[in-house]
Amino acid sequence: EAQVTQNPRYLITVTGKKLTVTCSQNMNHEYMSWYRQDPGLGLRQIYYSMNVEVTDKGDVPEGYKVSRKEKRNFPLILESPSPNQTSLYFCASSLRDRVTEQYFGPGTRLTVT
Amino acid sequence: GENVEQHPSTLSVQEGDSAVIKCTYSDSASNYFPWYKQELGKRPQLIIDIRSNVGEKKDQRIAVTLNKTAKHFSLHITETQPEDSAVYFCAASKNFGNEKLTFGTGTRLTIIP
Repeated sequence: EAQVTQNPRYLITVTGKKLTVTCSQNMNHEYMSWYRQDPGLGLRQIYYSMNVEVTDKGDVPEGYKVSRKEKRNFPLILESPSPNQTSLYFCASSLRDRVTEQYFGPGTRLTVT
Repeated sequence: GENVEQHPSTLSVQEGDSAVIKCTYSDSASNYFPWYKQELGKRPQLIIDIRSNVGEKKDQRIAVTLNKTAKHFSLHITETQPEDSAVYFCAASKNFGNEKLTFGTGTRLTIIP
């Protein structure tokens, strides 16, 4: 089954404790992206990657890191989480020339206390 | 960068009536406009999209219209049903989908039985 998976689905952590949210897709998609969803603000892009070893900042990259060492994986790293990073995070993927048809993962709800 | 505004933020309609959600974009170079639907607790999913060389596109009860001159596009849902209740996001992209998506802030549509 074609899918995008994220882990963990729910996470409660404390300020400053490094964490990684994993994202994996099995559709051989070149394009992968991370979004955060906050009430009233919609979906805001954090980082995206057009292919292996190619990453670019989105609209709200501060406080986040990503890497793309393999085509199927695109982890999101919070080196020192802060309460303003409490949010619902979505990973998405698509073919390189069909970025508008993105397949989203199930979401990760992160709470930073 | 691109800025997409979406209105209204919430919309309630009687079952069977029509619903219209409107978006405006700022970058005249944008030429690909998808719409995503997010049911409660679920991930966003693409429901319809339109290219700038097309003025209108229909898919059963859903239609999208585009006015390039005014830089706005709309989602029309006719004969609404309870399963249409969801949050709807519009988005814009350049290069016919080969570049990043910028999302609107979302519209929560509630269908009243």
